[in-house]
Amino acid sequence: GAGVSQSPSNKVTEKGKDVELRCDPISGHTALYWYRQSLGQGLEFLIYFQGNSAPDKSGLPSDRFSAERTGGSVSTLTIQRTQQEDSAVYLCASSTRDPASEQFFGPGTRLTVL
Amino acid sequence: QQQVKQSPQSLIVQKGGISIINCAYENTAFDYFPWYQQFPGKGPALLIAIRPDVSEKKEGRFTISFNKSAKQFSLHIMDSQPGDSATYFCAAVRGFQKLVFGTGTRLLVSP
Repeated sequence: GAGVSQSPSNKVTEKGKDVELRCDPISGHTALYWYRQSLGQGLEFLIYFQGNSAPDKSGLPSDRFSAERTGGSVSTLTIQRTQQEDSAVYLCASSTRDPASEQFFGPGTRLTVL
Repeated sequence: QQQVKQSPQSLIVQKGGISIINCAYENTAFDYFPWYQQFPGKGPALLIAIRPDVSEKKEGRFTISFNKSAKQFSLHIMDSQPGDSATYFCAAVRGFQKLVFGTGTRLLVSP
């Protein structure tokens, strides 16, 4: 497909379990971003990958959150020992390297922690 | 310094009316100001964007007004339609860095 894809679309897990969320960016996009959207809230930046540079992890809320990007393409966001406050929609976006180029968002993964 | 404040939180406009959403920022290093539109169950999609060297940008029924000295920018939706009902987010970014989003405005255009 031509857009950013994310999987799964919905994930329900129990408190304390680990979850992995996947993002497939648009082909050729070197920048990839993860954001979190909590109910009724705006979008909160989590982490940013740009090519082979060290990722900007400044938005990760705790050390339970981590992300990796393999081969400059697919990214996985991992949340360890999930808590109820982790329940949110996790959005991935990608863009080209051009300054301030449009970020294209995927449909998100809705995570529910029981 | 990184905050973007958005108002109102929600807005009801009659069909054909003008919808106005306002945002204010603090960090003068921001150099790109996009607006995103989000429908339920979908990711945000870029609607229109402006750089600080212009005071206004218009695309169809959508206009951004930008006041650099006041550090404010706003979205105007002319002739609002029921299909415009969505959540709108303003944002700001510096260079390659992450988008800083406002808290969103839920717009409802009544038929």
